[in-house]
Amino acid sequence: AQTVTQSQPEMSVQEAETVTLSCTYDTSENNYYLFWYKQPPSRQMILVIRQEAYKQQNATENRFSVNFQKAAKSFSLKISDSQLGDTAMYFCAFMNSGNQFYFGTGTSLTVIP
Amino acid sequence: DTEVTQTPKHLVMGMTNKKSLKCEQHMGHRAMYWYKQKAKKPPELMFVYSYEKLSINESVPSRFSPECPNSSLLNLHLHALQPEDSALYLCASSLSPGQAFYEQYFGPGTRLTVT
Repeated sequence: AQTVTQSQPEMSVQEAETVTLSCTYDTSENNYYLFWYKQPPSRQMILVIRQEAYKQQNATENRFSVNFQKAAKSFSLKISDSQLGDTAMYFCAFMNSGNQFYFGTGTSLTVIP
Repeated sequence: DTEVTQTPKHLVMGMTNKKSLKCEQHMGHRAMYWYKQKAKKPPELMFVYSYEKLSINESVPSRFSPECPNSSLLNLHLHALQPEDSALYLCASSLSPGQAFYEQYFGPGTRLTVT
């Protein structure tokens, strides 16, 4: 079974600064997908960024980028120029070839004005 | 239309009631999911429908009964629930396997309280 680990239950960052959220996973598969989802307080879960395991290039979406280390089974999220609206729970997720999703335990990020 | 909608937004029900949660998407997705989420916890997968057929049931108690009437609709029928079933129930959908990107799109959820 696949497991996804987020070792930072809570983090905080000053507005406009950069923060990195960590995620590691365990799998024996070679083809899979990784995602970061954001869930603001009392609001909808939305996709932040995705990465296909077969791609070596790290995904980037505006202020969000990932550091994907396949051999180390690591998939960290970097948020640059943090904004107050980035305050949310962030879930790392793994999807296998059978279309099953596995979520990490989440990191609660607070952006401090 | 890139939206998953869920109704109702909030639901309070007694332990003897029967109620249903509804989920709808018009993105042509052929996989739909029900999750249960407790506060500050990740979503827990309950059911997966693929091409309107139940493909995954994560050992969910029979007081939860899913139904997929067509490719756009997903229902969750509730009966004789327990207070510990109080949670946010999330619906999600994704393209069927074989497509390039099949991340899940989530609805806003139904906040269920069992009294």
